[in-house]
Amino acid sequence: EPEVTQTPSHQVTQMGQEVILRCVPISNHLYFYWYRQILGQKVEFLVSFYNNEISEKSEIFDDQFSVERPDGSNFTLKIRSTKLEDSAMYFCASRPGYSNQPQHFGDGTRLSIL
Amino acid sequence: AQKVTQAQTEISVVEKEDVTLDCVYETRDTTYYLFWYKQPPSGELVFLIRRNSFDEQNEISGRYSWNFQKSTSSFNFTITASQVVDSAVYFCALSEGSSGGSYIPTFGRGTSLIVHP
Repeated sequence: EPEVTQTPSHQVTQMGQEVILRCVPISNHLYFYWYRQILGQKVEFLVSFYNNEISEKSEIFDDQFSVERPDGSNFTLKIRSTKLEDSAMYFCASRPGYSNQPQHFGDGTRLSIL
Repeated sequence: AQKVTQAQTEISVVEKEDVTLDCVYETRDTTYYLFWYKQPPSGELVFLIRRNSFDEQNEISGRYSWNFQKSTSSFNFTITASQVVDSAVYFCALSEGSSGGSYIPTFGRGTSLIVHP
């Protein structure tokens, strides 16, 4: 069964550095998402992406964040000038373009800011 | 606005016990979707079930069953004869049908289930 793939599984970065989290959604999916889960807390929506542009974003997704689909397969989340509170698990998800099929989640990238 | 409440923060049971995880939701939409996800200690999110608001039939899948009741806005999840491998955090989620095409789910805070041998 096709999967959403996220790399790396764990990223350790110094505070203030930029980090790029990578995702390869399922190939025929049209909607892409990033979520964040701070340790021990619930999963929070960051941003959705459709037709090469952001379709919706949450309050969390401020100017520090950006997303990009640089080619036909990758979907990236860039976090500039990282802060300690950016430490979290980041999930990428994708879903087909028809009906309300459930989102398929990747295994997540654990981001640790030192 | 949509909201999902999982009042049980943590449940601890002994293997082979049945356990029910509660989920109560709020939405003004008549069309909506409910989900359950499992997050084992390894951290990934595993999709378990999706239910739309027009289908109140309960569902059973092996040891798992789900009870959807619109009258009480609840979508409870029961694990029968629990096993140690069921130990995980379980999230209930809701997405409204009027969210354009995004169908972005709102997650509850999760219930941590610990099954002791």
